Amino acid sequence: QVQLRESGPGLVKPSQTLSLTCTVSGDSISSGGYYWSWIRQHPGKGLEWIGYIYYRGSAYYNPSLKSRATISVDTSKTQFSLRLTSVTAADTAVYYCARVGITIIRGITDWGQGTLVTVSS
Amino acid sequence: IVLTQSPATLSLSPGERATLSCRASQSINSYLAWYQQKPGQPPRLLIYETSNRATGVPARFSGSGSGTDFTLTISSLEPEDFAVYYCQQRSNWLTFGGGTKVEIK
Repeated sequence: QVQLRESGPGLVKPSQTLSLTCTVSGDSISSGGYYWSWIRQHPGKGLEWIGYIYYRGSAYYNPSLKSRATISVDTSKTQFSLRLTSVTAADTAVYYCARVGITIIRGITDWGQGTLVTVSS
Repeated sequence: IVLTQSPATLSLSPGERATLSCRASQSINSYLAWYQQKPGQPPRLLIYETSNRATGVPARFSGSGSGTDFTLTISSLEPEDFAVYYCQQRSNWLTFGGGTKVEIK
């Protein structure tokens, strides 16, 4: 069974870049059939899709983030990463990495436990 | 595409039937999924493509709808079903509804 685990700093200063990594185990990122995604949840609020990437490198982003987000994949390390530039307090949230089914099960089938990132000086 | 869930809160007793609504701002065909989230946990996939139960999801959960109007029904609430439920579409990028909290009456 696939497992996903987020890692990265829990505190980021305003205007700096937030960087998170998701390590995947139990399946290969290169196996195809899935997008590898970042989703966030502001404290006490709903879910917001940030973007996703296919193992070959094609990435898609939520337009509301205005090009601040970049998702990359390292298939050799079974990891994918998120960079979010010019952060503000509004980027404080729990960040989840997740696996999104493309073909057989078209839903977000697997989630990491999430990591809280606070933007504060 | 904007997804609007109603009601925001549903107060019911165990054993009762829960009906949750999700309305899309434009047609999303059948690309609608439902998730359950409990405090401190990530969401869990319940239903995908409108009406298909995910692996391990009890039969009391069912989904229906088409076009812009979708429904998640829990036929008889169990104590572990009290949680927040989100709908999500993948017809145009990926968006979530604002959630419905099912609380104990």
